[in-house]
Amino acid sequence: SYELTQPPSVSVSPGQTARITCSGDALPKYYTYWYQQRPGQAPVLVIYKDSERPSGIPERFSGSSSGTSVTLTICGVQAEDEADYYCQSADSSGTYGVFGGGTKLTVL
Amino acid sequence: QITLKESGPTLVKPTQTLTLTCTFSGFSLSTRAVGVGWIRQPPGKALEWLALIYWDDDKRYSPSLKSRLTITKYTSKNQVVLTMANMDPMDTATYFCAHSNYYGVGNQIGDFDYWGQGTLVTVSS
Repeated sequence: SYELTQPPSVSVSPGQTARITCSGDALPKYYTYWYQQRPGQAPVLVIYKDSERPSGIPERFSGSSSGTSVTLTICGVQAEDEADYYCQSADSSGTYGVFGGGTKLTVL
Repeated sequence: QITLKESGPTLVKPTQTLTLTCTFSGFSLSTRAVGVGWIRQPPGKALEWLALIYWDDDKRYSPSLKSRLTITKYTSKNQVVLTMANMDPMDTATYFCAHSNYYGVGNQIGDFDYWGQGTLVTVSS
C-alpha cells in the first residue's frame, strides 16, 4: 500500500527554523495537507493545497514542494509549536487518503 | 460555525460490529464540494485515514480496511455513520470525524479542516 514518509522527530531551539519533510511518489500529482496535533487534542489543519494557510494560522507556518517531497517550514519557532505534525495526501491513483507517520517537533 | 461530534460505544467485544455516528452542524452534506471523513488514532500512534463520503454520495475507503467499513450519510439528520465489522483489539483507538473539502476531479481526496473531539473505542472481551 502507498506510504508517506516523515522523520520521527525534529528538534530546534526557540526562534530557529524547523523544517519537516514528507516524501511520497505521488506527491507531485496531488495536494498535500499538514496538521498539528498537541497531546490530547484533535489535529488542526495548518497548511492546505500544498502551501495555503487557513485563517488563524500564524504566518510563520508555510508549505512548499519539490519533486516527490514536500516540506512544512516553521520560522521563528515558539514553545507553543511543540507538537506532532502529520502530512496527508492521496494514494498513487487518487482513490483514498493517506497520512504520514508523523513527526514530533521538540522545542529545546 | 462548524462543529462535529462523534458518538458510539466506548467498549466493544472482539468480532462485534462497531457503529459510530458523527453529528454535525454549520454545514450541509447536500452542498457541493463538502464531505465528511473518519480518521482513527491508536494510543500513542499515528493518524490513520479510514473513509470519506462526499455530498454526491461518492465514497472512499482505505484499502486495508475496505472489506470491513461502511460509510453512510443521512443528510436530513446532519449525520454520517461509520460501521466497522469484525472488531479486533488492534482496532482500539480514538476515532475522529471531520469536515472535508473537495478540490476537484484532479484532487478528489481533500483536507480535514474541522474535527470532532474524538471518541475512544476499546476492543476487549
